[in-house]
Amino acid sequence: EVQLVESGGGLVQPGGSLRLSCAVSGFTLSDHYMDWVRQAPGKGLEWVGRSRKKVNSYTTEYAASVKGRFTVSRDDSKNSLYLQMNSLKTEDTAVYYCVRGYHSFDYWGQGTLVTVSS
Amino acid sequence: DIQMTQSPSSLSASVGDRVTITCRASQDISSWLAWYQQKPEKAPKSLIYDASNLQSGVPSRFIGSGSGTDFTLTISSLQPEDFATYYCQQYNNYPYTFGQGTKLEIK
Repeated sequence: EVQLVESGGGLVQPGGSLRLSCAVSGFTLSDHYMDWVRQAPGKGLEWVGRSRKKVNSYTTEYAASVKGRFTVSRDDSKNSLYLQMNSLKTEDTAVYYCVRGYHSFDYWGQGTLVTVSS
Repeated sequence: DIQMTQSPSSLSASVGDRVTITCRASQDISSWLAWYQQKPEKAPKSLIYDASNLQSGVPSRFIGSGSGTDFTLTISSLQPEDFATYYCQQYNNYPYTFGQGTKLEIK
């Protein structure tokens, strides 16, 4: 059974940093592209960033709203995906989902809430 | 960026009804479109990929169609568990973008 479990969310002040983790099981992480998608309270879905798979040299892509502040990385040996978030802004407040997919996103984690507030 | 526009934004319907949700892309995305269902306080669930292909385990009453800029999601006979919010998403270009959502409510 495919499972994605996020952790690391919480309350952080504007300008602060946070690192989210996503533990995956039920599939071989190195064979898959992985993404982060977020959803602000009461709002729609926003794609955040991507880590391509090993054969694609783990290259990354980012939404303009987070480029230069967020970094997607992974450790295939630990079956884990990460999202390092720096210089956080109040508008980054959202539930962050870890998702699997090459094109569409076929599996989603349950999400972890990040609140940026003073 | 490619803008995805869904219509309607909300819809009231009854169990057994046939409903259609439309998604329009601001430029040609071929068939690189997915549909998701989200229930309150839950993660989205994948329904359709490549515009018309059903994800494994998704009931056949969910039907996706379209190509280019115009797409539809049809639910052929609404069931009680189908009342949720639906999103379309393009994956033709980065950044991947979603529609604003269509909330399907019980009449």
